[in-house]
Amino acid sequence: QSVLTQPPSVSGAPGQRVTISCTGSSSNIGASYDVHWYQQLPGTAPKRLIYGNNNRPSGVPDRFSGSKSGTSASLAITGLQAEDEADYYCQSYDSSLSVVVFGGGTKLTVL
Amino acid sequence: QVQLVQSGAEVKKPGASVWVSCKTSGYTFPSYDISWVRQAPGQGLEWMGWISNYNGNTNYAQNLQGRVTVTTDTSTNTAYMELRSLRSDDTAVYYCARGGGSTGQGLDYWGQGTLVTVSS
Repeated sequence: QSVLTQPPSVSGAPGQRVTISCTGSSSNIGASYDVHWYQQLPGTAPKRLIYGNNNRPSGVPDRFSGSKSGTSASLAITGLQAEDEADYYCQSYDSSLSVVVFGGGTKLTVL
Repeated sequence: QVQLVQSGAEVKKPGASVWVSCKTSGYTFPSYDISWVRQAPGQGLEWMGWISNYNGNTNYAQNLQGRVTVTTDTSTNTAYMELRSLRSDDTAVYYCARGGGSTGQGLDYWGQGTLVTVSS
């Protein structure tokens, strides 16, 4: 059981908008620790997609955006493309456990 | 450019130990922490631990305490992860990544992964 909770799967048609939620608690997201998002394409290492809640590294399209409120965070993907089909993970820090924590991951299917 | 290159795949018997190396380049090694993350087949990412290259402090996941050690060699800009008393459920791809702890940057660069198979 992951400390951060994500839906196991989401799907959308090309061109649509999808969101992936990441729910934590008062000892991690709610304690103002930053949330980061990673994209993992099949058979590859994870890649940082969003850092510090809503910042995109250079090279990441602006179709990807992050937000955070209270004890939750979200990743939004607009203008869905076939190459967005991947697993997505949120990550933060938990002060009660003093550890880095990941969400369980969400598989995005582009219909 | 920043690169993290890991050692090759390993096959180990239950009870054995494994070392995985992570050679870095393209940045000032002492300025960044190194984390280790593993992924069992078909499963999600599991954080294992990190080392601060600033002061050498380490922090490990509770379920791996006592079995895992993370070290670095600043003379070769290389990080190492040792996992002892291997069990079949340690079979996974092991990743090193730059960053750690509560840093606002997350894990910004990752190694390519090392498959460790534990089988009798």
